[in-house]
Amino acid sequence: KQEVTQIPAALSVPEGENLVLNCSFTDSAIYNLQWFRQDPGKGLTSLLLIQSSQREQTSGRLNASLDKSSGRSTLYIAASQPGDSATYLCAVRGTGNQFYFGTGTSLTVIP
Amino acid sequence: EAGVTQSPTHLIKTRGQQATLRCSPISGHTSVYWYQQALGLGLQFLLWYDEGEERNRGNFPPRFSGRQFPNYSSELNVNALELEDSALYLCASSSPPGFYGYTFGSGTRLTVV
Repeated sequence: KQEVTQIPAALSVPEGENLVLNCSFTDSAIYNLQWFRQDPGKGLTSLLLIQSSQREQTSGRLNASLDKSSGRSTLYIAASQPGDSATYLCAVRGTGNQFYFGTGTSLTVIP
Repeated sequence: EAGVTQSPTHLIKTRGQQATLRCSPISGHTSVYWYQQALGLGLQFLLWYDEGEERNRGNFPPRFSGRQFPNYSSELNVNALELEDSALYLCASSSPPGFYGYTFGSGTRLTVV
């Protein structure tokens, strides 16, 4: 069964800092990996979707990389802002079309 | 394009009652997934429906059930409500081909008193 782990569980950084969130998964047989953002009490907003054949995806200040063979993905956030404060979740879609979620990284950006 | 819509936004029920939550997927999406997120906890997978059939089920008791209609909308029913069922219930939709990701709704906040 696929296991998805996110490290760190919580992160607090000063505004303007660049940061990296990590996601690892145990089964490399995946269709894609997706990063989400969740604000308290809200639904999940999709940030980036990386297909298994891709190495990275970029959107604005966000860059996500995927190393399928080693079972790792990173989400890089450049020049962090207080509005980036949220919980970030990664999810992998297995070849059985099932999605598996990590436990999330809670990010706080201090003004 | 309309996103995934969930109703109601909030629901307050008494212990022992039944709750019905609804989800309409994005047009063209045939798969609907339900998740429970209790306060301070991660997403717990509940149910996956595709083409009207239940494809997989998480580790939840049978009083959590649901169905998917011919128009691909879905309903989650929770019977004999318990206090610990209080949570945010999230619905997501996707298309079966593997290269699509999830799109989530805004959720239904269920409070059991």
